[in-house]
Amino acid sequence: QVQLQESGPRLLKPSETLSLTCSVSGYSIRSGYFWGWIRQPPGKGLEWIGSIYHSGSTHYNPSLESRVTISVDTSKNQFSLKLSSVTAADTAVYYCAREEFDFWGQGTLVTVSS
Amino acid sequence: SSELTQDPAVSVALGQTVRITCQGDSLRSYYTNWHQQKPGQAPVLVIYGKDNRPSGIPDRFSGSSSGNTATLTITGAQAEDEADYYCNSRDSSGNLRVFGGGTKLTVL
Repeated sequence: QVQLQESGPRLLKPSETLSLTCSVSGYSIRSGYFWGWIRQPPGKGLEWIGSIYHSGSTHYNPSLESRVTISVDTSKNQFSLKLSSVTAADTAVYYCAREEFDFWGQGTLVTVSS
Repeated sequence: SSELTQDPAVSVALGQTVRITCQGDSLRSYYTNWHQQKPGQAPVLVIYGKDNRPSGIPDRFSGSSSGNTATLTITGAQAEDEADYYCNSRDSSGNLRVFGGGTKLTVL
């Protein structure tokens, strides 16, 4: 069974950089699929942030592209998200998922507050 | 276009059939996935591809598509089906993913 787990700081100040890591178990990232990040502000809908292939090829949501970097570490079977210059509008539950969206992490709430 | 449009809310009487729709230009070219999300939980994939259900999803869930509209049908809705439902697909380039705004389903 494929399992994903997000980890990283949950409280940030405005202008800081959000950094999250998704650890994958039960499946090797090298075996295929894109791996993605999705977020959900409190009380709102899902927003796709971007995704990465094991080769390092990435796709990003144009609305976030200037601030987003997704990277992969196949040796650790992990992929990571960095979102720079955060504001209160970036407060959300952040999910990682295999990009067929058949397997999701449990999500982690990241709050941006001064 | 990279937008997918859903009705914000739909209701259905217990045991009746409900259809939840998703509209977008890219749906003419790409399949739609459907996700169920209950409060405080991660989304769960209920329909993928043309009309496929992951293991463990009841067969009362089905999917269809015509033109720029995809439809999730729940035949004989149960109380436990009350949730938010999100469609997702690709944008017109095929490289980017996009989610609909979500539909809140109430089972009366």
